[in-house]
Amino acid sequence: KNEVEQSPQNLTAQEGEFITINCSYSVGISALHWLQQHPGGGIVSLFMLSSGKKKHGRLIATINIQEKHSSLHITASHPRDSAVYICAVRESQGNLIFGKGTKLSVKP
Amino acid sequence: NAGVTQTPKFQVLKTGQSMTLQCAQDMNHEYMSWYRQDPGMGLRLIHYSVGAGITDQGEVPNGYNVSRSTTEDFPLRLLSAAPSQTSVYFCASSRSQGSSYNSPLHFGNGTRLTVT
Repeated sequence: KNEVEQSPQNLTAQEGEFITINCSYSVGISALHWLQQHPGGGIVSLFMLSSGKKKHGRLIATINIQEKHSSLHITASHPRDSAVYICAVRESQGNLIFGKGTKLSVKP
Repeated sequence: NAGVTQTPKFQVLKTGQSMTLQCAQDMNHEYMSWYRQDPGMGLRLIHYSVGAGITDQGEVPNGYNVSRSTTEDFPLRLLSAAPSQTSVYFCASSRSQGSSYNSPLHFGNGTRLTVT
């Protein structure tokens, strides 16, 4: 069983749509990261959170520690948001475990 | 600041050859790590370091060596390349905060390695 599960695996949206990507995990964690990987391959850190909610521009990340679940929301999606979004959790012992990623494609 | 610099961007090796992937960061980060990314799988940890002179194995260390002689540099060595090591490799660093290392991750741009 994967310790970090993301859904959906693939997501196609029309420009302007509200997007939600989910991440569920089964281990005790000290933090959760959301990362973005563009088609060129580079990986960028979007959020690191251990409770509650964070917002940066059109991106919002939430986490529910009790339910072991996090969501990444994108409001007013744009084709430049097309990328792979990766959830990673920092185990209580210190190791990072990565999800397999959600491939998002936003059509104009 | 350059952030995390990874070289080369692409490399093709023959089976049995050795090579070193370079990783350098200019942010004075204590924690550095190497991952490999394969299709259909999440990033997997190869080796990591929590400071100069200290390294440890991750999930998939076989066939790779690392060293950390300075805070800035964390090279990854392939001792005798095998086709199973064909992958995309990422170096990452972060500032450590006590023992939890909970600070944002900074990634290099990746190295696409093909072993024939």
